[in-house]
Amino acid sequence: DTAVSQTPKYLVTQMGNDKSIKCEQNLGHDTMYWYKQDSKKFLKIMFSYNNKELIINETVPNRFSPKSPDKAHLNLHINSLELGDSAVYFCASSRELNTEAFFGQGTRLTVV
Amino acid sequence: GESVGLHLPTLSVQEGDNSIINCAYSNSASDYFIWYKQESGKGPQFIIDIRSNMDKRQGQRVTVLLNKTVKHLSLQIAATQPGDSAVYFCAENPSRRDDKIIFGKGTRLHILP
Repeated sequence: DTAVSQTPKYLVTQMGNDKSIKCEQNLGHDTMYWYKQDSKKFLKIMFSYNNKELIINETVPNRFSPKSPDKAHLNLHINSLELGDSAVYFCASSRELNTEAFFGQGTRLTVV
Repeated sequence: GESVGLHLPTLSVQEGDNSIINCAYSNSASDYFIWYKQESGKGPQFIIDIRSNMDKRQGQRVTVLLNKTVKHLSLQIAATQPGDSAVYFCAENPSRRDDKIIFGKGTRLHILP
């Protein structure tokens, strides 16, 4: 069983479109995160949720909106996609806030 | 076009030798540190962690050293194997709930046959 699963694995879309990436964890963790990894492999946190409460909202355009319907899910919706949004997006979860995180396999988003 | 990983520091090590990967962290208030390993096409994976009240912690073939005076962290891998090829990240975790986790830039470990 995959601990943290995100879909899709690859996403190619045109500028201006709206897209969502889904994430689910079956570890019973209280905290979930979204990270963005750029082409230089730099990994930066975007959001963290603890018990469905938004804890960290980094300097991310408001075109990015996380949605946590329950503790096991944290989806990422992106409006009006831009070329600069192209990156690999990782979902992760941890038992408590800011502890060892378990990462999903990533979603490679390419905006054309 | 974009260059993937060309700006990533690379450490090349002979198979069987020991590897030492270094990391400088920024926040003196950080009290918990983690090393992650990221293989190609996968998400980062936990290797080992250390709290700020320790200066050394050992795992299986890995050792993490913490020097709080100079805000430096290192990961030592003993008897490096081909499967150790990956990008390694240190992450500093803040003590404050609303502070963010900061990942280091990453180091690519390349194993020479």
